[in-house]
Amino acid sequence: GAVVSQHPSRVICKSGTSVKIECRSLDFQATTMFWYRQFPKKSLMLMATSNEGSKATYEQGVEKDKFLINHASLTLSTLTVTSAHPEDSSFYICSARGRDHEQYFGPGTRLTVT
Amino acid sequence: EDQVTQSPEALRLQEGESSSLNCSYTVSGLRGLFWYRQDPGKGPEFLFTLYSAGEEKEKERLKATLTKKESFLHITAPKPEDSATYLCAVLFSGGYNKLIFGAGTRLAVHP
Repeated sequence: GAVVSQHPSRVICKSGTSVKIECRSLDFQATTMFWYRQFPKKSLMLMATSNEGSKATYEQGVEKDKFLINHASLTLSTLTVTSAHPEDSSFYICSARGRDHEQYFGPGTRLTVT
Repeated sequence: EDQVTQSPEALRLQEGESSSLNCSYTVSGLRGLFWYRQDPGKGPEFLFTLYSAGEEKEKERLKATLTKKESFLHITAPKPEDSATYLCAVLFSGGYNKLIFGAGTRLAVHP
């Protein structure tokens, strides 16, 4: 299957700071990427759909000004958590959509806000 | 309401004890059903895509089947390394090309 990377894998930041997470599609061009959030022992919660060259589409209840998404190229999408607070601590996972709508997921980023 | 339900929530098996996981869905216009495996602290790993009722796919000890209402993931003679959470997701008409995920089945295989 396709390979998707995320960086960093873990990050600890102080409350009020911003954190950027990168998601790269390593072996195919992805016009569409997705950002998910996952709570312990829960399933994936879609946050937003990232489309190359256009604005991201956010799910209901997700603050677009807090979770900034940029999809500047066919292989890179970034999620920036702005003014992070402890309640933003979570496991963030990105995916890239393949030709047949299957999604290939990155390894995830564990964010801890202190 | 469009919904994906997985059962059981958790399953404990002895090594070699075959079983099945269920994924039932209530969506109109199914375009694809996807199975993933997720290990703790990692992103989901793509396993299979099924598109139409009657379709089956196999990979090692896993076989996925699809009907008009549900999908089964059959695990034959499981090994401890098959322990993981198995997620299913559906893509359907009117779903804006997004996947709807079930809550998953946590599988534990003991030697």
